[in-house]
Amino acid sequence: DAGVIQSPRHEVTEMGQEVTLRCKPISGHNSLFWYRQTMMRGLELLIYFNNNVPIDDSGMPEDRFSAKMPNASFSTLKIQPSEPRDSAVYFCASQRPDRGYEQYFGPGTRLTVT
Amino acid sequence: TQLLEQSPQFLSIQEGENLTVYCNSSSVFSSLQWYRQEPGEGPVLLVTVVTGGEVKKLKRLTFQFGDARKDSSLHITAAQPGDTGLYLCAGAWYSGGGADGLTFGKGTHLIIQP
Repeated sequence: DAGVIQSPRHEVTEMGQEVTLRCKPISGHNSLFWYRQTMMRGLELLIYFNNNVPIDDSGMPEDRFSAKMPNASFSTLKIQPSEPRDSAVYFCASQRPDRGYEQYFGPGTRLTVT
Repeated sequence: TQLLEQSPQFLSIQEGENLTVYCNSSSVFSSLQWYRQEPGEGPVLLVTVVTGGEVKKLKRLTFQFGDARKDSSLHITAAQPGDTGLYLCAGAWYSGGGADGLTFGKGTHLIIQP
Protein backbone atom coordinates (compact mmCIF):
# COMPACT_ATOMS: atom_id res chain seq x y z
CA ASP A 1 0.00 0.00 0.00
CA ALA A 2 1.13 3.52 -0.69
CA GLY A 3 2.05 5.58 2.31
CA VAL A 4 1.05 9.15 3.01
CA ILE A 5 1.82 11.27 -0.04
CA GLN A 6 2.82 14.91 0.21
CA SER A 7 3.52 17.45 -2.49
CA PRO A 8 5.58 19.30 -3.28
CA ARG A 9 8.64 17.85 -1.53
CA HIS A 10 10.41 21.18 -1.70
CA GLU A 11 9.02 24.68 -2.08
CA VAL A 12 10.98 27.91 -2.32
CA THR A 13 8.97 31.10 -2.46
CA GLU A 14 9.28 34.77 -1.78
CA MET A 15 7.82 36.53 1.21
CA GLY A 16 4.22 37.57 0.59
CA GLN A 17 3.42 34.76 -1.83
CA GLU A 18 0.71 32.17 -1.24
CA VAL A 19 1.88 28.63 -0.55
CA THR A 20 -0.29 25.51 -0.76
CA LEU A 21 0.88 22.17 0.61
CA ARG A 22 -0.96 18.98 -0.30
CA CYS A 23 -1.49 15.66 1.40
CA LYS A 24 -3.07 12.36 0.45
CA PRO A 25 -3.58 10.13 3.51
CA ILE A 26 -3.43 6.36 3.50
CA SER A 27 -6.66 4.86 2.19
CA GLY A 28 -8.95 3.82 5.04
CA HIS A 29 -7.40 6.16 7.58
CA ASN A 30 -9.98 8.54 9.02
CA SER A 31 -7.79 11.02 10.86
CA LEU A 32 -5.30 13.46 9.37
CA PHE A 33 -2.75 15.65 11.11
CA TRP A 34 -0.59 18.55 9.98
CA TYR A 35 2.71 19.15 11.81
CA ARG A 36 5.54 21.64 11.44
CA GLN A 37 9.16 20.80 12.34
CA THR A 38 11.98 23.23 13.04
CA MET A 39 15.26 22.83 14.88
CA MET A 40 14.24 25.32 17.51
CA ARG A 41 10.73 24.10 18.28
CA GLY A 42 10.78 20.46 17.16
CA LEU A 43 7.56 18.89 15.84
CA GLU A 44 4.47 20.95 16.50
CA LEU A 45 0.89 19.90 15.82
CA LEU A 46 -0.88 22.53 13.74
CA ILE A 47 -4.33 21.06 13.12
CA TYR A 48 -6.05 17.70 12.83
CA PHE A 49 -9.17 16.31 11.22
CA ASN A 50 -11.41 13.38 12.14
CA ASN A 51 -13.62 12.13 9.30
CA ASN A 52 -12.79 15.28 7.31
CA VAL A 53 -13.93 17.59 10.11
CA PRO A 54 -11.39 19.95 11.74
CA ILE A 55 -11.22 19.08 15.43
CA ASP A 56 -8.47 21.24 16.89
CA ASP A 57 -6.71 24.10 15.10
CA SER A 58 -5.23 25.67 18.22
CA GLY A 59 -1.74 24.97 16.92
CA MET A 60 -2.18 27.07 13.80
CA PRO A 61 0.18 30.02 14.34
CA GLU A 62 -2.07 32.77 13.02
CA ASP A 63 -4.75 33.66 10.53
CA ARG A 64 -2.30 33.40 7.67
CA PHE A 65 -2.55 29.63 8.00
CA SER A 66 -5.60 27.67 6.90
CA ALA A 67 -6.29 23.98 6.27
CA LYS A 68 -9.03 22.11 4.48
CA MET A 69 -10.02 18.51 3.99
CA PRO A 70 -12.70 18.42 1.27
CA ASN A 71 -12.78 14.61 1.19
CA ALA A 72 -11.25 11.56 2.84
CA SER A 73 -8.37 11.39 0.40
CA PHE A 74 -7.10 14.95 0.21
CA SER A 75 -6.07 17.83 2.44
CA THR A 76 -4.35 21.16 1.93
CA LEU A 77 -2.46 23.54 4.19
CA LYS A 78 -2.31 27.07 2.87
CA ILE A 79 -0.16 29.98 4.00
CA GLN A 80 -1.13 33.42 2.73
CA PRO A 81 0.89 35.59 2.81
CA SER A 82 4.02 33.61 3.58
CA GLU A 83 6.81 35.00 5.76
CA PRO A 84 10.45 33.91 6.26
CA ARG A 85 9.63 32.61 9.76
CA ASP A 86 7.30 30.06 8.16
CA SER A 87 10.33 28.25 6.75
CA ALA A 88 10.20 24.70 8.12
CA VAL A 89 9.42 21.12 7.17
CA TYR A 90 5.69 20.46 7.14
CA PHE A 91 4.47 16.91 7.73
CA CYS A 92 1.14 15.30 7.16
CA ALA A 93 0.22 12.14 9.08
CA SER A 94 -2.77 9.84 8.97
CA GLN A 95 -4.23 7.42 11.47
CA ARG A 96 -6.44 4.34 11.33
CA PRO A 97 -9.75 4.32 13.18
CA ASP A 98 -8.92 1.06 14.98
CA ARG A 99 -5.36 1.96 16.00
CA GLY A 100 -5.97 5.25 17.71
CA TYR A 101 -2.40 5.89 18.76
CA GLU A 102 -0.39 5.08 15.66
CA GLN A 103 0.29 7.77 13.13
CA TYR A 104 1.90 7.33 9.74
CA PHE A 105 3.87 10.28 8.46
CA GLY A 106 4.49 11.46 4.94
CA PRO A 107 7.95 12.46 3.73
CA GLY A 108 7.30 16.13 4.42
CA THR A 109 7.46 19.37 2.43
CA ARG A 110 10.52 21.52 3.02
CA LEU A 111 9.37 25.13 2.73
CA THR A 112 11.81 27.99 2.34
CA VAL A 113 10.47 31.54 2.31
CA THR A 114 13.01 34.14 1.25
CA THR B 1 -0.46 22.02 27.71
CA GLN B 2 1.33 18.68 27.91
CA LEU B 3 5.11 18.91 27.56
CA LEU B 4 7.64 16.15 26.96
CA GLU B 5 11.28 16.57 27.87
CA GLN B 6 13.80 14.32 26.17
CA SER B 7 17.37 13.77 27.24
CA PRO B 8 20.03 13.82 26.15
CA GLN B 9 19.48 16.15 23.22
CA PHE B 10 22.60 14.88 21.43
CA LEU B 11 24.49 11.62 21.88
CA SER B 12 27.49 10.32 19.97
CA ILE B 13 28.92 6.93 20.91
CA GLN B 14 31.01 4.16 19.45
CA GLU B 15 29.59 1.09 17.77
CA GLY B 16 28.96 -1.68 20.27
CA GLU B 17 28.20 0.55 23.23
CA ASN B 18 24.90 0.66 25.09
CA LEU B 19 22.79 3.78 25.58
CA THR B 20 19.58 4.99 27.18
CA VAL B 21 17.37 7.87 26.10
CA TYR B 22 14.80 9.36 28.44
CA CYS B 23 11.40 11.00 27.97
CA ASN B 24 9.73 12.75 30.88
CA SER B 25 6.51 14.67 31.43
CA SER B 26 4.49 16.17 34.24
CA SER B 27 1.32 14.89 32.56
CA VAL B 28 -0.21 11.43 32.49
CA PHE B 29 -0.63 10.16 28.96
CA SER B 30 -3.03 7.59 27.59
CA SER B 31 -0.13 6.13 25.67
CA LEU B 32 3.40 6.96 24.66
CA GLN B 33 5.11 6.27 21.39
CA TRP B 34 8.66 6.24 20.13
CA TYR B 35 9.49 7.26 16.58
CA ARG B 36 12.73 7.28 14.61
CA GLN B 37 13.38 9.87 11.93
CA GLU B 38 16.12 9.84 9.32
CA PRO B 39 17.23 12.95 7.39
CA GLY B 40 14.78 13.96 4.67
CA GLU B 41 12.08 11.59 5.86
CA GLY B 42 9.11 11.60 8.17
CA PRO B 43 9.10 9.95 11.60
CA VAL B 44 8.49 6.21 11.60
CA LEU B 45 6.71 4.57 14.51
CA LEU B 46 8.82 2.09 16.48
CA VAL B 47 6.56 1.16 19.38
CA THR B 48 3.52 2.16 21.42
CA VAL B 49 3.32 1.60 25.18
CA VAL B 50 0.01 1.91 26.95
CA THR B 51 0.14 0.23 30.36
CA GLY B 52 2.12 1.65 33.26
CA GLY B 53 5.28 -0.42 33.81
CA GLU B 54 5.02 -1.98 30.36
CA VAL B 55 8.24 -3.17 28.72
CA LYS B 56 8.51 -3.89 25.00
CA LYS B 57 11.47 -5.18 23.04
CA LEU B 58 12.27 -4.65 19.39
CA LYS B 59 15.46 -6.57 18.60
CA ARG B 60 18.20 -4.60 20.39
CA LEU B 61 15.80 -1.84 21.49
CA THR B 62 13.99 -2.00 24.85
CA PHE B 63 11.20 0.43 25.63
CA GLN B 64 9.75 1.00 29.07
CA PHE B 65 6.73 3.03 30.22
CA GLY B 66 6.85 4.40 33.74
CA ASP B 67 4.44 3.08 36.36
CA ALA B 68 2.70 6.45 36.55
CA ARG B 69 2.60 6.77 32.75
CA LYS B 70 4.53 10.05 32.89
CA ASP B 71 7.91 8.89 31.65
CA SER B 72 9.54 6.41 29.33
CA SER B 73 12.96 5.19 28.33
CA LEU B 74 14.56 3.67 25.26
CA HIS B 75 17.59 1.46 25.76
CA ILE B 76 19.72 0.30 22.85
CA THR B 77 22.11 -2.60 23.35
CA ALA B 78 25.25 -2.93 21.24
CA ALA B 79 24.48 0.11 19.11
CA GLN B 80 25.22 -0.08 15.39
CA PRO B 81 25.76 2.69 12.81
CA GLY B 82 22.33 1.89 11.36
CA ASP B 83 20.79 3.08 14.63
CA THR B 84 21.86 6.63 13.83
CA GLY B 85 18.92 9.02 13.64
CA LEU B 86 16.58 11.30 15.55
CA TYR B 87 14.56 9.48 18.21
CA LEU B 88 11.31 11.15 19.20
CA CYS B 89 8.94 10.31 21.99
CA ALA B 90 5.31 11.35 21.66
CA GLY B 91 2.50 11.36 24.18
CA ALA B 92 -1.10 10.79 23.24
CA TRP B 93 -4.22 11.81 25.06
CA TYR B 94 -7.40 10.14 23.94
CA SER B 95 -10.66 11.86 24.68
CA GLY B 96 -12.83 8.98 23.56
CA GLY B 97 -14.51 11.11 20.93
CA GLY B 98 -11.97 10.30 18.28
CA ALA B 99 -8.28 10.54 17.57
CA ASP B 100 -6.36 13.31 19.26
CA GLY B 101 -3.04 14.88 18.47
CA LEU B 102 0.37 13.83 19.69
CA THR B 103 2.72 15.97 21.75
CA PHE B 104 6.29 15.36 20.65
CA GLY B 105 9.50 15.80 22.54
CA LYS B 106 12.26 17.67 20.73
CA GLY B 107 14.11 14.43 20.17
CA THR B 108 17.51 12.88 20.77
CA HIS B 109 19.99 13.12 17.92
CA LEU B 110 21.91 9.82 18.05
CA ILE B 111 25.12 9.18 16.14
CA ILE B 112 26.77 5.77 16.25
CA GLN B 113 30.33 5.93 15.03
CA PRO B 114 31.87 2.85 13.41
